[in-house]
Amino acid sequence: GENVEQHPSTLSVQEGDSAVIKCTYSDSASNYFPWYKQELGKRPQLIIDIRSNVGEKKDQRIAVTLNKTAKHFSLHITETQPEDSAVYFCASTGANSKLTFGKGITLSVRP
Amino acid sequence: DTAVSQTPKYLVTQMGNDKSIKCEQNLGHDTMYWYKQDSKKFLKIMFSYNNKELIINETVPNRFSPKSPDKAHLNLHINSLELGDSAVYFCASSHFRLAGGRGGGNEQFFGPGTRLTVL
Repeated sequence: GENVEQHPSTLSVQEGDSAVIKCTYSDSASNYFPWYKQELGKRPQLIIDIRSNVGEKKDQRIAVTLNKTAKHFSLHITETQPEDSAVYFCASTGANSKLTFGKGITLSVRP
Repeated sequence: DTAVSQTPKYLVTQMGNDKSIKCEQNLGHDTMYWYKQDSKKFLKIMFSYNNKELIINETVPNRFSPKSPDKAHLNLHINSLELGDSAVYFCASSHFRLAGGRGGGNEQFFGPGTRLTVL
């Protein structure tokens, strides 16, 4: 089955700096790669996603890149703000729509 | 106007009891899911139903039984609760996407979660 690895497990950045979170996946048939943000005590919410026919996608301060050959994808957050502090999950989906999540990374943005 | 709702929000019970969690979505999605999030925040799929049919059934103890009376509802019944069942359970829903003859992925909308504590 699919295995999604996410690293690092924690990340601390200064407000205004950029943050990069990397994930790898194992199933070459995976074709959909969402990123979810979960604030403390809240539900996971989609912040950006990318499909396998696209290499990069951007939405304001966040962007995602996908390297299908290497089977890895990354989340980039620029100009970080304290409200970006949360747990971020990468995930991948294969043919059966089963979403496999990485273990999550806790991002802390220091004011 | 709530998209995905779950009840109850908190559930505290004794070992050995049987309990149910209910989930409803009003997004018109055809696929619903149950996830378990443990104390280390790891999110793991348990079950998925597409048009009331079970399509994903992970290695979950058979004490857990999902039931989908219709596309908008997916309930989770747990028998003989154990300490290790303590977790946050999230319901989610999405459209099931078929592209080029294969299934794929679409945004999954999560419910607010049910925090289950087994004493």
